[in-house]
Amino acid sequence: QAVLTQPASLSASPGASASLTCTLRSGINVGARWIYWYQQKPGSPPQYLLRYKSDSDKQQGSGVPSRFSGSKDASANAGILLISGLQSEDEADYYCMIWHSSAWVFGGGTKLTVL
Amino acid sequence: HVQLVQSGAEVKKPGASVKVSCKASGYTFTSYDINWVRQATGQGLEWMGWMSPNSGNTGYAQKFQGRVTMTSDTSISTAYMELSSLRSEDTAMYYCARTEPNWGVDYWGQGTLVTVSS
Repeated sequence: QAVLTQPASLSASPGASASLTCTLRSGINVGARWIYWYQQKPGSPPQYLLRYKSDSDKQQGSGVPSRFSGSKDASANAGILLISGLQSEDEADYYCMIWHSSAWVFGGGTKLTVL
Repeated sequence: HVQLVQSGAEVKKPGASVKVSCKASGYTFTSYDINWVRQATGQGLEWMGWMSPNSGNTGYAQKFQGRVTMTSDTSISTAYMELSSLRSEDTAMYYCARTEPNWGVDYWGQGTLVTVSS
């Protein structure tokens, strides 16, 4: 089972909100983890969006709009990237990342379609 | 502003080695680690390892142990990643990426395409 699992794809309408999940493998507790989120558009390197541990411990990437935010669902052992007020430019691949067993580990990515 | 500028595309034969460079600017090179991440076409991100330009310490993903070497030249603020015994499955875009010690990636290079083909 992969360390981080993300849904392969998600579709949402312009102006709506999208909730992208990153589920940690059983036995890896999301509670104490920093969850990092990256956005990647075709032909470009990933870009750092934010990191989230708790509502009092989080950091927004430089220049990243506040409509990108992080949270956790402890019951699902998952990190969440919430994008509100979706715009066409938000269409991209989104990756989560954690530090686990002395390595950075990425989720498989979610392709977000805005239509 | 922070910039990581990588060397150009490479085409290598199976069994050869490739060395990719990553020149940093806009910050103190020795205050941040450099990580290397690769991405095969249409696939996800795969972390390869990190190195500290300050100490020279490195940490490699188990998958690449014995085949990858990460170094730096602090006099020119440049990091290097050398991958040996190349095979077709190593064909990918290779990114360098900056991390503050104990924190995740905040800046990425533009990527270097390495193609392994006979």
